[in-house]
Amino acid sequence: AQKVTQAQTEISVVEKEDVTLDCVYETRDTTYYLFWYKQPPSGELVFLIRRNSFDEQNEISGRYSWNFQKSTSSFNFTITASQVVDSAVYFCALSEGSGGSNYKLTFGKGTLLTVNP
Amino acid sequence: AAGVIQSPRHLIKEKRETATLKCYPIPRHDTVYWYQQGPGQDPQFLISFYEKMQSDKGSIPDRFSAQQFSDYHSELNMSSLELGDSALYFCASSEGLAGERETQYFGPGTRLLVL
Repeated sequence: AQKVTQAQTEISVVEKEDVTLDCVYETRDTTYYLFWYKQPPSGELVFLIRRNSFDEQNEISGRYSWNFQKSTSSFNFTITASQVVDSAVYFCALSEGSGGSNYKLTFGKGTLLTVNP
Repeated sequence: AAGVIQSPRHLIKEKRETATLKCYPIPRHDTVYWYQQGPGQDPQFLISFYEKMQSDKGSIPDRFSAQQFSDYHSELNMSSLELGDSALYFCASSEGLAGERETQYFGPGTRLLVL
């Protein structure tokens, strides 16, 4: 069975600090997909990034960067120069490459990030 | 860009009543997923549909049923509502093209409160 662990339940930082959110996953599949979603206080789930198991290239998008390491089964997310608007619950999620149309997501418990002014 | 539409956004029901939640996927998306998120919890997969057929089933109670229609919209029907059904219900859709099917885009959710 697949599993996603976000060990950090809550993180509090001051604006402009860098912050890294950790995600560790377990799966028996060789093909799988990793995601980060953001859930602001308004409640919607916003897709941030997807990584395929066969693509370990790290990615940077503005103030966001992601570090995918298969050797440690980790997919960490860093926000540089955090802003108050970054305050949200961040979920790491995993779906296995079962093929066909089945890509249900297994979510971690989420990390509540609070950025204080 | 068009997003996933869910209706209603908020719903209040009494115990033992029924509720119907609707989901309209992003145009050209042929796969729909339903998730339930309890207070302070992570979203849990309920059920999914691909091309109007059920493709996978998760921890969905027998009191719940769902279907996908010819226009790809989906409805989640919930009967004999219980207090524990109070949650945020998300619908997500994904595109049929290879390489995009794995990414799900979520609607704003329907917040159900059972009294």
